[in-house]
Amino acid sequence: EDQVTQSPEALRLQEGESSSLNCSYTVSGLRGLFWYRQDPGKGPEFLFTLYSAGEEKEKERLKATLTKKESFLHITAPKPEDSATYLCAVRRGSTLGRLYFGRGTQLTVWP
Amino acid sequence: NAGVTQTPKFQVLKTGQSMTLQCAQDMNHEYMSWYRQDPGMGLRLIHYSVGAGITDQGEVPNGYNVSRSTTEDFPLRLLSAAPSQTSVYFCASSYSGTGYNSPLHFGNGTRLTVT
Repeated sequence: EDQVTQSPEALRLQEGESSSLNCSYTVSGLRGLFWYRQDPGKGPEFLFTLYSAGEEKEKERLKATLTKKESFLHITAPKPEDSATYLCAVRRGSTLGRLYFGRGTQLTVWP
Repeated sequence: NAGVTQTPKFQVLKTGQSMTLQCAQDMNHEYMSWYRQDPGMGLRLIHYSVGAGITDQGEVPNGYNVSRSTTEDFPLRLLSAAPSQTSVYFCASSYSGTGYNSPLHFGNGTRLTVT
């Protein structure tokens, strides 16, 4: 069965303390891996799409990387405003449009 | 552009009542979908549509109906609400259902409680 697993479930960082979030997947026929940010009471906000192993994308303090089995979201020198739940999702070529989501990592950055 | 707009933001129903959750997008997206989000679980697909007049079931379709008469609108109907349908519902759209460079864009959700 296809699975998307995110770890850790929750992460507390002090402001400026860099770390990484993990998303491992067992989907066959990957057609994109997506990272989203979700703030309380809001819908997921798109961050990145990664298509193939070795690809990297950056946005401000965030960098996403992809291997054949997992993706990492690296957070460099985080700030309190980076606190949110980060969701990982994958798309398969054989299931039209559907994204398979992990349960998310709840990140808290304290001053 | 407003993006994806969902109404209402909050709703309380009694068991057995029916209602329609509204979703509209102004990005001319072909693909639209409904997900539900429950504590401790990933977002799960309820129904989706690849264009006006075309809909199909997702992972958890029971108890829900959809229709797509226009490109912009994709309402979700609860036929006879049950407590198990208490959840947060998200509508999402994308330019294409299969394109690599076609992420889903989400609305801000409808928080539904069934008592």
